[in-house]
Amino acid sequence: GAGVSQSPSNKVTEKGKDVELRCDPISGHTALYWYRQRLGQGLEFLIYFQGNSAPDKSGLPSDRFSAERTGESVSTLTIQRTQQEDSAVYLCASSHGTRQGTQYFGPGTRLTVL
Amino acid sequence: EDQVTQSPEALRLQEGESSSLNCSYTVSGLRGLFWYRQDPGKGPEFLFTLYSAGEEKEKERLKATLTKKESFLHITAPKPEDSATYLCAVQQGGSEKLVFGKGTKLTVNP
Repeated sequence: GAGVSQSPSNKVTEKGKDVELRCDPISGHTALYWYRQRLGQGLEFLIYFQGNSAPDKSGLPSDRFSAERTGESVSTLTIQRTQQEDSAVYLCASSHGTRQGTQYFGPGTRLTVL
Repeated sequence: EDQVTQSPEALRLQEGESSSLNCSYTVSGLRGLFWYRQDPGKGPEFLFTLYSAGEEKEKERLKATLTKKESFLHITAPKPEDSATYLCAVQQGGSEKLVFGKGTKLTVNP
């Protein structure tokens, strides 16, 4: 079946602009996660959704970052007033509600802030 | 705070030369330890989940083992297509997030 998809695959933006990154989870997966991978660093957790609620937002680095999810489907990660340090690959993962330990990742969105 | 340390950072092997990658972790109440493979420009690909010390899992040339402090990913007779970055992550009981190490970049030369 189809895996996790993300769009766009690449995004170049100017400092100060807002960006929206999209994630389509695997059909039937109720849990959705966002991670950030900066060059030379491990993946950093950003936020977790169960359905359309976000029980854990502890990884969002600042109030410029926000995310929402429509039901048990698409999620959007929004970064406002982008800064150069926001440049990274943003990865989305989803998991089945009854086996939340196994997270399956999408291909990521590479964000470059000039 | 949960911590995951992977070693070595990079490893070069000749085709057929077996070796092991290490993942040391500190976590309060391990829920699961996960191994992923990541190819350049792609998202992590799930390999294994280990839940308790003594557990082992195998897939083709890969075998993952778990103790109370570390996990090993053993690669037997590797092939060039095994070249990738291997990521280790832990999940604490009561939490849904994964805490990742920085990965080991494996290169297998023909």
